[in-house]
Amino acid sequence: GQSLEQPSEVTAVEGAIVQINCTYQTSGFYGLSWYQQHDGGAPTFLSYNGLDGLEETGRFSSFLSRSDSYGYLLLQELQMKDSASYFCAVRGDYKLSFGAGTTVTVRA
Amino acid sequence: DAGVTQSPTHLIKTRGQQVTLRCSPISGHKSVSWYQQVLGQGPQFIFQYYEKEERGRGNFPDRFSARQFPNYSSELNVNALLLGDSALYLCASSPQWGGTDTQYFGPGTRLTVL
Repeated sequence: GQSLEQPSEVTAVEGAIVQINCTYQTSGFYGLSWYQQHDGGAPTFLSYNGLDGLEETGRFSSFLSRSDSYGYLLLQELQMKDSASYFCAVRGDYKLSFGAGTTVTVRA
Repeated sequence: DAGVTQSPTHLIKTRGQQVTLRCSPISGHKSVSWYQQVLGQGPQFIFQYYEKEERGRGNFPDRFSARQFPNYSSELNVNALLLGDSALYLCASSPQWGGTDTQYFGPGTRLTVL
């Protein structure tokens, strides 16, 4: 089976940098995905790491270390609209296995 | 291009009833997956369908069933509803089957069981 751990909550001010860590235990691993979900909305795809290293997409970056079963999502230049839940998810053979999510609150 | 669409957006049922949820994938996507998201938790995998065949099933009781049609749209059926089935039901589509493709989610159907 799969298990993923990520912090439950993070609070930061506008303009700050936030790092959300994710550790996982899994059988069958293609890579680590990150999704953003605003209250009542659909999970929106942010980033994917299939290989070790850093992937950068605008203000968001994601990192993966397969040997450490560890990844993180880095949110830079935080904006109020970044207040949301962020999920790491392991890609397996036919499904995504999600963590419980990290609620990010951005304060003015 | 239109994203994943789901209907209805909201649904209220009573215990013991049956419900059917519908999903249309992104044009060109052949795989549809269903997830259940209870408030405060991450989505939990229910089913994946590819080319009208079930390719994967999560740890859900037999009250849950699904199918995929020739146009790749899909239905999720839940029988004998329980209070614990109240959740956001999400549909996700991807181009192919397997772990290499990104899954894109629809807005979900909010099911409330009274």
